[in-house]
Amino acid sequence: GENVEQHPSTLSVQEGDSAVIKCTYSDSASNYFPWYKQELGKRPQLIIDIRSNVGEKKDQRIAVTLNKTAKHFSLHITETQPEDSAVYFCAASMGGGKLIFGQGTELSVKP
Amino acid sequence: GAVVSQHPSWVICKSGTSVKIECRSLDFQATTMFWYRQFPKQSLMLMATSNEGSKATYEQGVEKDKFLINHASLTLSTLTVTSAHPEDSSFYICSATQIAGLNYNEQFFGPGTRLTVL
Repeated sequence: GENVEQHPSTLSVQEGDSAVIKCTYSDSASNYFPWYKQELGKRPQLIIDIRSNVGEKKDQRIAVTLNKTAKHFSLHITETQPEDSAVYFCAASMGGGKLIFGQGTELSVKP
Repeated sequence: GAVVSQHPSWVICKSGTSVKIECRSLDFQATTMFWYRQFPKQSLMLMATSNEGSKATYEQGVEKDKFLINHASLTLSTLTVTSAHPEDSSFYICSATQIAGLNYNEQFFGPGTRLTVL
């Protein structure tokens, strides 16, 4: 079945720096790749997503890139702020809407 | 945006009892709902996929007789944890989506239910 690997598991950056989180997926049939931000005890919030027919997508300080050949996708957050601190999850979907999540990255932005 | 609710938000029960969790899509019809379990500091693990009017599809390793899922309408799915034990204590999250062919729509997550089994 599909497997999603996410790195790093923890990431600490200074306010204003950029943060990059990377994920790889195993099934080449996957065609939808969302990223979620989850604060402690809360539901995951979709922050950006990308479909397999697109290589890059940007929304203000957040961007996602997708390399279908290498089967990996990355989240880029620029000009990080303390409120960006949370756990971030990547996910991949290949059919039926089923999402397989990565292990998560705990991002800490230090003021 | 689409809203998904869950009830209860938290529940404490004794070992051996059953607990029912409801997931509702409030402003859209959800053809498919998903149930996830999340242990502390871990990722969301998909438990099952629930389609309205049909039997749920369980992921490998998830006991269908222990985690009963019913999707009786396009706005309601329930998860019943039967004969709960302390190891079932977890954060249970549902999500709902409308699936149109291969054009997947965003999954909308409920706020989660914290289950503690004593």
